[in-house]
Amino acid sequence: KAGVTQTPRYLIKTRGQQVTLSCSPISGHRSVSWYQQTPGQGLQFLFEYFSETQRNKGNFPGRFSGRQFSNSRSEMNVSTLELGDSALYLCASSSGQGVTEAFFGQGTRLTVV
Amino acid sequence: AQSVTQPDIHITVSEGASLELRCNYSYGATPYLFWYVQSPGQGLQLLLKYFSGDTLVQGIKGFEAEFKRSQSSFNLRKPSVHWSDAAEYFCAVGAGRFGAGTRLTVKP
Repeated sequence: KAGVTQTPRYLIKTRGQQVTLSCSPISGHRSVSWYQQTPGQGLQFLFEYFSETQRNKGNFPGRFSGRQFSNSRSEMNVSTLELGDSALYLCASSSGQGVTEAFFGQGTRLTVV
Repeated sequence: AQSVTQPDIHITVSEGASLELRCNYSYGATPYLFWYVQSPGQGLQLLLKYFSGDTLVQGIKGFEAEFKRSQSSFNLRKPSVHWSDAAEYFCAVGAGRFGAGTRLTVKP
């Protein structure tokens, strides 16, 4: 069974630009969650999608958005990038039925210059 | 509200020594608890989980954790640490609430 796939693995963007990150969950999983990881703030929850609907949302500004497609693949978009958005963005998939463990991708390392 | 506290930001142990990483949680009902490990530049990998039943849970790589409801704790243990255990460890409760992590350094 293939694991969680995140693309791209590395990305460099300029302040003010926008970026889209992609996550393909494990086959059969319907829940996709996104996290931002930085040395200062640790692992912070961005949002969770289940069956194309946002089910939970963390405390991030509206510049951070996401969506999920009918095949459960998810994208995360960050508009008007700031230097502070530089981070490792992790995607996790789970079955979404009740509370189960999450399976993480290797992440996308975003650097904003 | 669910919350997780990992009191130790960084721990250093000698190879072969025992290890205990602390995790305290706040949760209104019976919690679902997890420990994950993250190697540098990688995603998180599940070590073990507790949903119910036996309070001592065995995981992969020789790790175990004990759920203590009276202390609201779910500490991770390993009797003998290997150099390859050097990584960051995260405790999580419920659906998606993670602690700040504990970075483990292993001295030769």
